Amino acid sequence: DAKTTQPNSMESNEEEPVHLPCNHSTISGTDYIHWYRQLPSQGPEYVIHGLTSNVNNRMASLAIAEDRKSSTLILHRATLRDAAVYYCILKGGAQKLVFGQGTRLTINP
Amino acid sequence: DADVTQTPRNRITKTGKRIMLECSQTKGHDRMYWYRQDPGLGLRLIYYSFDVKDINKGEISDGYSVSRQAQAKFSLSLESAIPNQTALYFCATSSALSGANVLTFGAGSRLTVL
Repeated sequence: DAKTTQPNSMESNEEEPVHLPCNHSTISGTDYIHWYRQLPSQGPEYVIHGLTSNVNNRMASLAIAEDRKSSTLILHRATLRDAAVYYCILKGGAQKLVFGQGTRLTINP
Repeated sequence: DADVTQTPRNRITKTGKRIMLECSQTKGHDRMYWYRQDPGLGLRLIYYSFDVKDINKGEISDGYSVSRQAQAKFSLSLESAIPNQTALYFCATSSALSGANVLTFGAGSRLTVL
């Protein structure tokens, strides 16, 4: 399974945009890039996914580099409720998701 | 009611005891998974099942077994629990109809082995 690399932690301020980076230099052509987040004391929840093109949904945007070796999850206007651990995951051919350690995002009021 | 329900939510047991964690889902998904999470770490896949008669080992299957009793039910067993199996366990589901394989997780089962 291809691996991803994320910073262990990031900090931002409420109502400001947040850019969470992820490196995946060994991504294969058929791997989807998934993002999940885990709020305190909860199970992970799906945020967004993409293959090649940038994606937007009600929660976030996903910007994928042209060579697909990196991607960025964008929270356009962070709230305190966005404080969580964010996981960047590649969905491989076996169709199971393998989680790394993620980025712990702290939002300051 | 939650789409993915795990029972029990919390369990304290002793070394050597047999423990079963149960997962049921109302999403109609064909695929089910069991993950384990240790403090400060990400999730590790224990077992997964793509259909009722399909069982596959994940990264850390030793010491665990599973049973897919029906499409909606997937249970995880620890035949003889040991302290290093103390962790937070998550069940998840997904659908083969979804090309992206988006997972829906339960709320977790916290297991403590003394």
